Amino acid sequence: NAGVMQNPRHLVRRRGQEARLRCSPMKGHSHVYWYRQLPEEGLKFMVYLQKENIIDESGMPKERFSAEFPKEGPSILRIQQVVRGDSAAYFCASSLIRDRGFGQVDEQFFGPGTRLTVL
Amino acid sequence: DAKTTQPPSMDCAEGRAANLPCNHSTISGNEYVYWYRQIHSQGPQYIIHGLKNNETNEMASLIITEDRKSSTLILPHATLRDTAVYYCIVRSPLRGGGSNYKLTFGKGTLLTVNP
Repeated sequence: NAGVMQNPRHLVRRRGQEARLRCSPMKGHSHVYWYRQLPEEGLKFMVYLQKENIIDESGMPKERFSAEFPKEGPSILRIQQVVRGDSAAYFCASSLIRDRGFGQVDEQFFGPGTRLTVL
Repeated sequence: DAKTTQPPSMDCAEGRAANLPCNHSTISGNEYVYWYRQIHSQGPQYIIHGLKNNETNEMASLIITEDRKSSTLILPHATLRDTAVYYCIVRSPLRGGGSNYKLTFGKGTLLTVNP
């Protein structure tokens, strides 16, 4: 059972270019999350998507960042006109949601991340 | 979600048990305790979670105190590959319209397993 896949693993962009990060969830998972980890910091939630729907994008910067999870294909995190401050590791996670009787719980499984460097 | 407090770092000898503490004194009755770890430069890895009973899986054991204000993650026989940052996270169960699916990562505990 393949895990969460992310590509590319490393991405170098110059200021002003676009970055497109891809995430393929685990087989059978329909929930995708994106997190960002700046150097020497913990992961911060960015966006939560289900197939064809953005559920919560409260952690996304208001400009230049967008995310999608189409009916077919991987989830895409897109950063337009990148700046040096966008340099970070971007992690995708996927999950199933299961009812345990006390309420729904989930286990988020993370991909290896994409390390974006903006020159 | 309740805040958690963890020591910034711990050391453990290879082959010995590693006991990682976590305080969550403001935890609510329906909040779960989750543990993840992040090995250097890798994505976080789910370890275990529990509500009020102790839990055990192939990776670790989770001991939650009776008042649920603290918990301990136990790696019974630590290996060098267990060196990582360990995150204790408290979350409410997911409900329609809530935002409890977010994982809120603090600074965690850097566990160093020494040969």
